Amino acid sequence: GAGVSQTPSNKVTEKGKYVELRCDPISGHTALYWYRQSLGQGPEFLIYFQGTGAADDSGLPNDRFFAVRPEGSVSTLKIQRTERGDSAVYLCASSLIGGNTDTQYFGPGTRLTVL
Amino acid sequence: QKEVEQDPGPLSVPEGAIVSLNCTYSNSAFQYFMWYRQYSRKGPELLMYTYSSGNKEDGMLTAQVDKSSKYISLFIRDSQPSDSATYLCALSGSARQLTFGSGTQLTVLP
Repeated sequence: GAGVSQTPSNKVTEKGKYVELRCDPISGHTALYWYRQSLGQGPEFLIYFQGTGAADDSGLPNDRFFAVRPEGSVSTLKIQRTERGDSAVYLCASSLIGGNTDTQYFGPGTRLTVL
Repeated sequence: QKEVEQDPGPLSVPEGAIVSLNCTYSNSAFQYFMWYRQYSRKGPELLMYTYSSGNKEDGMLTAQVDKSSKYISLFIRDSQPSDSATYLCALSGSARQLTFGSGTQLTVLP
């Protein structure tokens, strides 16, 4: 079966531009997570969806970052007015029901570079 | 101070060596402890999951948790070049998100 997929795999943009990053979770997984991984660091939590709703968005760094999951499957992370400090790998993960004992399965990530 | 501290390495060992990877944490609310492996330009992959103090074995891997010391370890026996990757500890509590260490880069030399 297919794992978590993320598109694009690489995105280069200019400072101030708007970007959208897409995540396709494993079919049937109700929980979806976004993390950001800077070079040489572990992933940092951004936002968690249970179904269509954002159950926890405490990791979003500021209001330039927004994520949606309108139909409870695919999710899009949106970044407005990108800054050079936003350059990182954005990882998406999904899990079956979102319980603490659920395994989170990660996608390969989108490598964002802001020039 | 970070909630989870992990020695970044790099760690280089000969094939067949026993590898010891460690993390310490400060938040006693963490109840679930995981180890992920991440190959270059790939997403993290879960290796081990534990939720109580003590040891858990799976093949060549042993995960160890000491909640009193807030210290977790992963041991890799008979390490192989294919084990060369970055190893991340990850912890969670009542919240669903994972808190990761910074990762240890491991190279197993043939």
